Amino acid sequence: EAGVAQSPRYKIIEKRQSVAFWCNPISGHATLYWYQQILGQGPKLLIQFQNNGVVDDSQLPKDRFSAERLKGVDSTLKIQPAKLEDSAVYLCASSSARGMNDKNIQYFGAGTRLSVL
Amino acid sequence: GNSVTQMEGPVTLSEEAFLTINCTYTATGYPSLFWYVQYPGEGLQLLLKATKADDKGSNKGFEATYRKETTSFHLEKGSVQVSDSAVYFCALIGNFGNEKLTFGTGTRLTIIP
Repeated sequence: EAGVAQSPRYKIIEKRQSVAFWCNPISGHATLYWYQQILGQGPKLLIQFQNNGVVDDSQLPKDRFSAERLKGVDSTLKIQPAKLEDSAVYLCASSSARGMNDKNIQYFGAGTRLSVL
Repeated sequence: GNSVTQMEGPVTLSEEAFLTINCTYTATGYPSLFWYVQYPGEGLQLLLKATKADDKGSNKGFEATYRKETTSFHLEKGSVQVSDSAVYFCALIGNFGNEKLTFGTGTRLTIIP
């Protein structure tokens, strides 16, 4: 079974530029998550989708971050304009059902490492 | 809200040493508890989990027991190997509907031959 695919693996941009990340979850997984992992910290949830609908985006900085999952499969996360403090690893994860319980585990991609100069 | 506190790292051990990484949590009710591992250049992988008090999760020689009385979920391994070098994250999720997966800050473990 193929895992969660993310691209690109690395991205370097200057502040005020825009950037987009792509994620393809495990086939059949209805729930998709985007996390931000700043160096030395644990991942922080940015947004959660259930199929193509947003379940939780309470920690997404909506003035600059946006995400979509139009067909309920793959997803893109965009930052426009980027700030220095956005430098982090952006992780995508998927699970097979809404929310999470002892039967539904989140599977993570390798992440995109963003450096904003 | 929910929170996870992990033993600060980095931790450096010799091969075959005994490992303990401490994890305590704050949450209402009975959360599910997890340890995730992140090898260099890779995403997070679930290492083990426990969903109720006194449950013991185990995988690849690692173990952790859900201790409700001390709100702890310490990770242990009897004899570590160089290949265990990674960052380990303790995490929890509450059981009141669609709650977030809350992570600790991670503990970097380095095993030297």
